[in-house]
Amino acid sequence: DTAVSQTPKYLVTQMGNDKSIKCEQNLGHDTMYWYKQDSKKFLKIMFSYNNKELIINETVPNRFSPKSPDKAHLNLHINSLELGDSAVYFCASSQELTENYGYTFGSGTRLTVV
Amino acid sequence: AQSVTQLGSHVSVSEGALVLLRCNYSSSVPPYLFWYVQYPNQGLQLLLKYTSAATLVKGINGFEAEFKKSETSFHLTKPSAHMSDAAEYFCAVSPNAGKSTFGDGTTLTVKP
Repeated sequence: DTAVSQTPKYLVTQMGNDKSIKCEQNLGHDTMYWYKQDSKKFLKIMFSYNNKELIINETVPNRFSPKSPDKAHLNLHINSLELGDSAVYFCASSQELTENYGYTFGSGTRLTVV
Repeated sequence: AQSVTQLGSHVSVSEGALVLLRCNYSSSVPPYLFWYVQYPNQGLQLLLKYTSAATLVKGINGFEAEFKKSETSFHLTKPSAHMSDAAEYFCAVSPNAGKSTFGDGTTLTVKP
């Protein structure tokens, strides 16, 4: 059973389109995240949700909107896609504030905007 | 605020040689420290973590790391490199198991 699963794995789309990436975790973790990894492999946090509540919202264009229907799901919707949005997007989950803390990552969604 | 500096964006070793990947951290409170590995086209996987117990931490695949408070370091080592160790390695710091901050990563190349 996959612990953190993201769909789709690959996404190729044209500029100006709207797209969504879905993430689900079956670990019972309270906190979920979206990270963006650029072409130089730098990881940048975008959002964090704890029990469906937004707790981290870094400096991200408001074209990006996360949604957490329940604590096991965190989706990312992107409006009006731009070339610079091309990157790998990772979902992750953790059980914060515990000795078991540590991130479990999904396998990533490679977004290419053409 | 916390931060992580990984010294050396690229490290190259021969198969069988010692692997040393350097990480220095800055944290205003006692930190949790982590090493993650990313194989090509995959997500990050937790290698090991320091959570204020033993200062020498053993992880998966023969890796270990030592927490040195006086040097604010958490370097990753492996006695003998294997070809399958070639990957991207990320150090991360978290204050009291809160939000993690990741370093810029180190690419490890293993030569035959």
